[in-house]
Amino acid sequence: EAGVAQSPRYKIIEKRQSVAFWCNPISGHATLYWYQQILGQGPKLLIQFQNNGVVDDSQLPKDRFSAERLKGVDSTLKIQPAKLEDSAVYLCASSLGTGPTGELFFGEGSRLTVL
Amino acid sequence: GQNIDQPTEMTATEGAIVQINCTYQTSGFNGLFWYQQHAGEAPTFLSYNVLDGLEEKGRFSSFLSRSKGYSYLLLKELQMKDSASYLCADLEAYKYIFGTGTRLKVLA
Repeated sequence: EAGVAQSPRYKIIEKRQSVAFWCNPISGHATLYWYQQILGQGPKLLIQFQNNGVVDDSQLPKDRFSAERLKGVDSTLKIQPAKLEDSAVYLCASSLGTGPTGELFFGEGSRLTVL
Repeated sequence: GQNIDQPTEMTATEGAIVQINCTYQTSGFNGLFWYQQHAGEAPTFLSYNVLDGLEEKGRFSSFLSRSKGYSYLLLKELQMKDSASYLCADLEAYKYIFGTGTRLKVLA
């Protein structure tokens, strides 16, 4: 079974530039999550989709971050314009559901460096 | 409210046993997860508890006390490859809240 795919693995940009990350979840997983993980911290949820609807985006900085999951499969996360504090690993995860089947499967992450 | 506390770092010796504690405070509880994260890699699932008690999986066990808002991960017969961060995550309704993680160093 293929895992969660993410790209790019690494990205270096200057502040005020834009960047986009792509995620393809495990086939059949209805729930997709984008997490931001700053070095030395735990993952922080940015947005959660159930199929193509948003379940939670309360911690997404909506003035600069946007995400979509068209057709309920793959998803993109965009940052525009980027700030220095956006330097982090952006982890995409998917799950079959929540509760006993709610184990999260993570992609390898996209490491963003903002200079 | 949402608050998860774990120790920042722990050190143990190869072959020993280590217990990593996690306390949580949530307004709605649907389970407690433990994930392992090696440096530069994505987290991987270790265990899930929704009822009180101990769940054992080989060298790893996880315990939950819902009344105390407390969980621990027990690692036995430590190996060098167990050096990693261990993340406690609380499932509140539909939302996973992660702690900051405990960095475990296993020394030879």
